[in-house]
Amino acid sequence: GAVVSQHPSRVICKSGTSVKIECRSLDFQATTMFWYRQFPKQSLMLMATSNEGSKATYEQGVEKDKFLINHASLTLSTLTVTSAHPEDSSFYICSASGLAGSGTDTQYFGPGTRLTVL
Amino acid sequence: QKEVEQDPGPLSVPEGAIVSLNCTYSNSAFQYFMWYRQYSRKGPELLMYTYSSGNKEDGRFTAQVDKSSKYISLFIRDSQPSDSATYLCAMIRSGNTGKLIFGQGTTLQVKP
Repeated sequence: GAVVSQHPSRVICKSGTSVKIECRSLDFQATTMFWYRQFPKQSLMLMATSNEGSKATYEQGVEKDKFLINHASLTLSTLTVTSAHPEDSSFYICSASGLAGSGTDTQYFGPGTRLTVL
Repeated sequence: QKEVEQDPGPLSVPEGAIVSLNCTYSNSAFQYFMWYRQYSRKGPELLMYTYSSGNKEDGRFTAQVDKSSKYISLFIRDSQPSDSATYLCAMIRSGNTGKLIFGQGTTLQVKP
């Protein structure tokens, strides 16, 4: 149980294009989903927190107009990187929490999406 | 000062060794403590979860939390080459649902 998937696993795009990344909880309902960014040899940095049906809460320094997050259902959240530039190249990872009956804040992570902007 | 400190390593041990990984933290409000394992180019995988002080064992893995010292540990017994990965500690403050604060991660290499 507690499987989270991401699609695509890797994407290469030209500068100025927009890229959408999907995050799905496959076997549980995720009341909360999180989006992280990870640069090489660094830890995960939380970008935003989203709850189903409401607006995402962004961390300080993260541009909400550049990183659009939609949490349309209890099993799907999307991150759209708008007008991507080379400095947006990174490893983007989502996580989900809300495992029924767990009573905890345990987060389960997706496999990540590697974005390369040329 | 970072809220969570973790030595990035790398840590290299021979197969079969006992591995000790540690994190220290500064905020006494942290109540939930996790250890994640991350293989290269993959998402983190939850290994251990503990609440408040104490020990928890799961197979070859033992997690310890010492809140009085603000210190947490992960022990790996009989380490295997497949344990080679980056280990991230993470913690959540009481009342701050969901927001994980990560350590930098320690890179472990287990040599056959």
